[in-house]
Amino acid sequence: GAGVSQSPSNKVTEKGKDVELRCDPISGHTALYWYRQSLGQGLEFLIYFQGNSAPDKSGLPSDRFSAERTGGSVSTLTIQRTQQEDSAVYLCASSFGRTHEQFFGPGTRLTVL
Amino acid sequence: AQSVTQPDIHITVSEGASLELRCNYSYGATPYLFWYVQSPGQGLQLLLKYFSGDTLVQGIKGFEAEFKRSQSSFNLRKPSVHWSDAAEYFCAVGADNDMRFGAGTRLTVKP
Repeated sequence: GAGVSQSPSNKVTEKGKDVELRCDPISGHTALYWYRQSLGQGLEFLIYFQGNSAPDKSGLPSDRFSAERTGGSVSTLTIQRTQQEDSAVYLCASSFGRTHEQFFGPGTRLTVL
Repeated sequence: AQSVTQPDIHITVSEGASLELRCNYSYGATPYLFWYVQSPGQGLQLLLKYFSGDTLVQGIKGFEAEFKRSQSSFNLRKPSVHWSDAAEYFCAVGADNDMRFGAGTRLTVKP
């Protein structure tokens, strides 16, 4: 089927506002990941969902960041009270089983003014 | 702690020339190793991966990489670069929520 999709593709917001970023993984993929990619940087791990297990939130940079995955499929990353340093591309990926190959979405570019 | 180093931030090669992108890693066990490519405005696409077995792995788009345990390296190579190869390349080590990505190497291809 289709690949990983993310929406919106671009988001411009004002400092202090909340934003929600959406990820639709590949159907049937049990694992879902969120990463942050800042300009000129590699990928920074944020959060990992695997099946019905408790998510690994160890990469979330502050308590302003949260994520949920409903029904084992769609995921939403929420950033509250956005700050300028939150400006980055947020990438979502999904994978299946033990293949370890992560399939990435096109990302959401977030700009906080 | 595991980590990945890509020593070259930016590389420029002429179209048709050979290419080698370097990747060094630090990992506590036998690693899973990956190379991804990111074109502008796109997500990452897997080029190739190494889990075990033959240390020379072939990938898509004519790329290959060689795992050298003694040097903790997993360098990416292509014998003849095409203009469409211009992109950002990321080396990664680990698996699942234990994946670590390098900072990337940006490849520019001169006509």
